[in-house]
Amino acid sequence: QSALTQPASVSGSPGQSITISCTGTGSDLGAYNYVSWYQQHPGKAPKLMISEVTKRPSGVSNRFSGSKSGNTASLTISGLQAEDEADYYCSSYTTSTTWVFGGGTKLTVL
Amino acid sequence: QVQLVESGGGVVQPGRSLRLSCAASGFTFSSYGMHWVRQAPGKGLEWVAVIWYDGSKEYYTDSVKGRFTISRDNSKNTLYLQMNSLRVEDTAVYYCAREDWTVGKYASDLWGLGTMVTVSS
Repeated sequence: QSALTQPASVSGSPGQSITISCTGTGSDLGAYNYVSWYQQHPGKAPKLMISEVTKRPSGVSNRFSGSKSGNTASLTISGLQAEDEADYYCSSYTTSTTWVFGGGTKLTVL
Repeated sequence: QVQLVESGGGVVQPGRSLRLSCAASGFTFSSYGMHWVRQAPGKGLEWVAVIWYDGSKEYYTDSVKGRFTISRDNSKNTLYLQMNSLRVEDTAVYYCAREDWTVGKYASDLWGLGTMVTVSS
């Protein structure tokens, strides 16, 4: 049950696009299209941003999009805004009927 | 109001036990699988356990197997986490989260605010 691998930090200027990667194995990311992405602001609970690789829950901005290729999933945020500055976590269902999170990526809006 | 409210956290000595509760309101609790997720201070999210909507199945992360037990009382709209043989490394904010397949399979769309558990001598 090793954590998924994410970059520790990414940054971008307002209006730019950034992509956060999430790498797993054939037992999690590579096995299913059940990848979720969560946003967490300091001191707050996580918020679901993307489910099933590409689905956006109601109320989530269309500036957020997801994709996956093989054992790597990605979250792209376009038109970066100051409010997007937060920690982002990927998560995947696994073949062991467990869930696994990534280590988290701190997004800084310059 | 649709919400989850955790309680039961506190400071406990290593080796002791603690039971967390998560009260659900505003939705049909018995229709949803429920998770516990924890976050150690300054660290990332860690999935802890899941229980099926009817309590028929439960799964755990390896580090808590045999020590933690997830359960639910659908008549009381409450989720529990019984934590035994606590270790210093169990210190974290514990969140309960709802899994809603109408939003996305195996994704949690509703989270509580968390309850802090500190294991220290």
